[in-house]
Amino acid sequence: ETGVTQTPRHLVMGMTNKKSLKCEQHLGHNAMYWYKQSAKKPLELMFVYNFKEQTENNSVPSRFSPECPNSSHLFLHLHTLQPEDSALYLCASSPGTNPYEQYFGPGTRLTVT
Amino acid sequence: SQKIEQNSEALNIQEGKTATLTCNYTNYSPAYLQWYRQDPGRGPVFLLLIRENEKEKRKERLKVTFDTTLKQSLFHITASQPADSATYLCALGRNAGNMLTFGGGTRLMVKP
Repeated sequence: ETGVTQTPRHLVMGMTNKKSLKCEQHLGHNAMYWYKQSAKKPLELMFVYNFKEQTENNSVPSRFSPECPNSSHLFLHLHTLQPEDSALYLCASSPGTNPYEQYFGPGTRLTVT
Repeated sequence: SQKIEQNSEALNIQEGKTATLTCNYTNYSPAYLQWYRQDPGRGPVFLLLIRENEKEKRKERLKVTFDTTLKQSLFHITASQPADSATYLCALGRNAGNMLTFGGGTRLMVKP
């Protein structure tokens, strides 16, 4: 295991639901990331947090709302999603935001119906 | 716009041979490049990082080259094994923020 856990592993939600994805890292890292991986598309960076502060929002729609209460936990709050938001959502962490390798969690497979 | 190209077709090779995967990019000046391995249903796993001032990096059976003139990185796996079968992703980054831009990945199949 990489030391990054994500829950739930699978989620099915309707377009009017509100749900949250959770990520926890046990590596003592200071930077955390959310990525989206859709079928037949490259991994897309969504958000970056460094020392709990958001440093990057890659033009993500407001129906995705991140939260980073501390350096070990990262949430992605979801509301009024669209079917095209169905994808694998991956969380990653790194020691900082210098050029470091990133450690990915197993992902949450999200299906929006 | 930035573009990172990896061969979208699967690469099939025989066990014991050297696998060579290509990552080409345009409209981008990366400070470093990373390679990751991804197995089905799992998150990517980091393999190697190479900086713009480095020509080559090695780790066990893996070798990465980085040619900023050609705007290309080559990833080699020598003495390939069936366990090396996976999708390999290249990712480019700039110095600020460790924000990676990923290619679409190439699936490698090593046959016994």
